[in-house]
Amino acid sequence: QKEVEQNSGPLSVPEGAIASLNCTYSDRGSQSFFWYRQYSGKSPELIMSIYSNGDKEDGRFTAQLNKASQYVSLLIRDSQPSDSATYLCAVNLNNDMRFGAGTRLTVKP
Amino acid sequence: DVKVTQSSRYLVKRTGEKVFLECVQDMDHENMFWYRQDPGLGLRLIYFSYDVKMKEKGDIPEGYSVSREKKERFSLILESASTNQTSMYLCASSLPLLTEAFFGQGTRLTVV
Repeated sequence: QKEVEQNSGPLSVPEGAIASLNCTYSDRGSQSFFWYRQYSGKSPELIMSIYSNGDKEDGRFTAQLNKASQYVSLLIRDSQPSDSATYLCAVNLNNDMRFGAGTRLTVKP
Repeated sequence: DVKVTQSSRYLVKRTGEKVFLECVQDMDHENMFWYRQDPGLGLRLIYFSYDVKMKEKGDIPEGYSVSREKKERFSLILESASTNQTSMYLCASSLPLLTEAFFGQGTRLTVV
């Protein structure tokens, strides 16, 4: 079983819609959770971090964490074409940072 | 701002060569990581280091070694490059425990 799993996509949404990205992880001891955005040919950049159960909002982005279900999600409201990228879920356990394979998002004008 | 710098953006090497990929960070981070990224496979951890001279194997250490003689520098070594090591290599650094990782710009290595 992979440690961090994401749907590879591609996920396509129209401009202005909500994009929903999901991630599950296998190790119950995981302590911190991150979403990165990666544009083609570029390195990943952090967009959200979340450490406790519940929702965390930052502008158009909301991260949701449910440790009991071992589930992390990212919602992007009012999606823009510039949000088109691959989104990587990352999970940190005792200094060991593991990534999912990423979900490719396309926002169509 | 955190800066993580990888020595080369693009690299072409021949099969059997010994290859050195260098990574330097300027934020006094304890943790440093080497990943490779391949289409459909995401980022796979090769090695990480949580202190000078300390290293831990990740998921795919075979064919690689690392060196961390100074806190700011973490080197990835391909002992004898093979074509299946053609990939994008990403270095990252972070503070201890729960914090996020910051990435370098990546090195696209082609082994011919």
